[in-house]
Amino acid sequence: QVQLQESGPGLVKPSETLSLTCAVSGYSISSGYYWGWIRQPPGKGLEWIGSAYHSGSTYYNPSLKSRVTISIDSSKNQFSLKLSSVTAADTAVYYCARSTSCYCCGCFFDYWGQGTLVTVSS
Amino acid sequence: QSALTQSASVSGSPGQSITISCTGTSSDVGSYNLVSWYQQHPGKAPKLMIYEGSKRPSGVSNRFSGSKSGNTASLTISGLQAEDEADYYCCSYAGSTTYVIFGGGTKLTVL
Repeated sequence: QVQLQESGPGLVKPSETLSLTCAVSGYSISSGYYWGWIRQPPGKGLEWIGSAYHSGSTYYNPSLKSRVTISIDSSKNQFSLKLSSVTAADTAVYYCARSTSCYCCGCFFDYWGQGTLVTVSS
Repeated sequence: QSALTQSASVSGSPGQSITISCTGTSSDVGSYNLVSWYQQHPGKAPKLMIYEGSKRPSGVSNRFSGSKSGNTASLTISGLQAEDEADYYCCSYAGSTTYVIFGGGTKLTVL
């Protein structure tokens, strides 16, 4: 059974960098699929942040692209999110998820982490 | 690019059928058969219910079905049950620049 678990600070100061890690169990990241991040501000809808492939390919939401980096550490079977220059608008529950390729295989998120709330506040 | 458009809320009685719509453009929903639907209960992670417009993952009830016409995708839930009460989100591939876009979500209330 594929499982994903987010971890990282629950509180980040404005202008600093938000850093989260997603540990994957039950599946080897280097075996395929894309690995991504989706966020949900309190009481609002889902927003895709970006996705990465183990080969190094990355895709980012154009509205966040200048501030986002997603990287994969296959040796630890985990992937990470860095979002720089955060403001209160970045306060959200952040989910990590596995997705299929949008170029061949359906473009859907089939396994999700439980989510972690990150609050941006001084 | 703006989020896909979903009605804010829909309701139905147990046993009835309801349909949730998801309207995009010719750059996303209308151009690709890559719409997925997610169910989210309060405080929980989203769950995949439909992918590629109309396919159900293993374990998802056949009461859930998906379709598409032009720039609008739809999720139909038949034989409503209390456990179906949740938020539902559509998602579509939107081309190589935007990549993926979600709808604003629809809150389903089972009366």
